[in-house]
Amino acid sequence: SAVISQKPSRDICQRGTSLTIQCQVDSQVTMMFWYRQQPGQSLTLIATANQGSEATYESGFVIDKFPISRPNLTFSTLTVSNMSPEDSSIYLCSVFPTGGEAFFGQGTRLTVV
Amino acid sequence: GENVEQHPSTLSVQEGDSAVIKCTYSDSASNYFPWYKQELGKGPQLIIDIRSNVGEKKDQRIAVTLNKTAKHFSLHITETQPEDSAVYFCARGSSGNTPLVFGKGTRLSVIA
Repeated sequence: SAVISQKPSRDICQRGTSLTIQCQVDSQVTMMFWYRQQPGQSLTLIATANQGSEATYESGFVIDKFPISRPNLTFSTLTVSNMSPEDSSIYLCSVFPTGGEAFFGQGTRLTVV
Repeated sequence: GENVEQHPSTLSVQEGDSAVIKCTYSDSASNYFPWYKQELGKGPQLIIDIRSNVGEKKDQRIAVTLNKTAKHFSLHITETQPEDSAVYFCARGSSGNTPLVFGKGTRLSVIA
């Protein structure tokens, strides 16, 4: 099973600022997935990050707002840019290697004030 | 991807009773069906999963059943305990390296 370290675990940010969330995996994985979980809701996929290429974003999410880096096969970052209170959510990274199980990081609880 | 329908949205059971949560899907390519438990302030924790080549899988008090023909799968928790209280999510996936699609979640309350 993969172990994912995600940080920060929580943050309170001023509107208009940006926050970068990091995820480190203890094994090499081809794809990493970033999800958003709004209060009381289920998980919604933001984008898929593949090492060496630009991330693929889902409908309703754009690169300017959620830039993603994937510099190697064990690490990825998600930035939430120009934040507003509507961005207050839990952000989660996930891996699902071929033939393996799908695991999540501990999540980043973001509050924008 | 196509949605996963999860029912019920809330479930209250007496301690010691069983709890059953059901999910249905429509994408025939789905072959991986995990269940996650999410406690307040934490990320989803994988508790059990099943692949389409089996119909049932059990791990102590937790079991998952899959009916691929009818396209539904269920989580069964027996002898429930207060610490089972959490939000449970089902999900479906196809091959690895593709994202999961989640149900809307079930808030389970086990009453002592």
